[in-house]
Amino acid sequence: ETGVTQSPTHLIKTRGQQVTLRCSSQSGHNTVSWYQQALGQGPQFIFQYYREEENGRGNFPPRFSGLQFPNYSSELNVNALELDDSALYLCASSLGVTDTQYFGPGTRLTVL
Amino acid sequence: EDQVTQSPEALRLQEGESSSLNCSYTVSGLRGLFWYRQDPGKGPEFLFTLYSAGEEKEKERLKATLTKKESFLHITAPKPEDSATYLCAGGYGNNRLAFGKGNQVVVIP
Repeated sequence: ETGVTQSPTHLIKTRGQQVTLRCSSQSGHNTVSWYQQALGQGPQFIFQYYREEENGRGNFPPRFSGLQFPNYSSELNVNALELDDSALYLCASSLGVTDTQYFGPGTRLTVL
Repeated sequence: EDQVTQSPEALRLQEGESSSLNCSYTVSGLRGLFWYRQDPGKGPEFLFTLYSAGEEKEKERLKATLTKKESFLHITAPKPEDSATYLCAGGYGNNRLAFGKGNQVVVIP
């Protein structure tokens, strides 16, 4: 059984640019959640997608947006990148919205 | 506002020296208490879910317990491979996890 995968592993962007991060959920999981983890901090909830619809959002501005596809894979898009967006971005999938979330390895984003 | 607080922030243990990590959480709206292990630069690895006060779960040298206001992760006779950051998270609403900052554990041979 394949676990949660994310791409790319690392990414370097400059301030003001846009970035797209990708996530493939674990087999059979229809829910994907995205988190941002700054250095030395715990992960912060960005939003969750369930059956291609946004199902809850944390305290992040609208320049953070997402998509979920019919195969339950997902994308996180961040526009107008700021220096503070530098972080590890984690994707987690679950069987349903309240089930245990299993995390991918993350994408390390550096904004210069 | 949901809040999860972990202590101590960092802990150095001699191999074999048992200890406990603490996680206190906001009670209102909690649907489950989760423990994860995170190695540097990697994603969190699921360990346990606890749902009600008095519940306990074990895995190898780790045991998680839950009271009405706190959860503890007990590490018995730790080995160097138990070195990691242990994250506690409260499940709130119908979807999101609220994480603490983590307990960074180093086990010295």
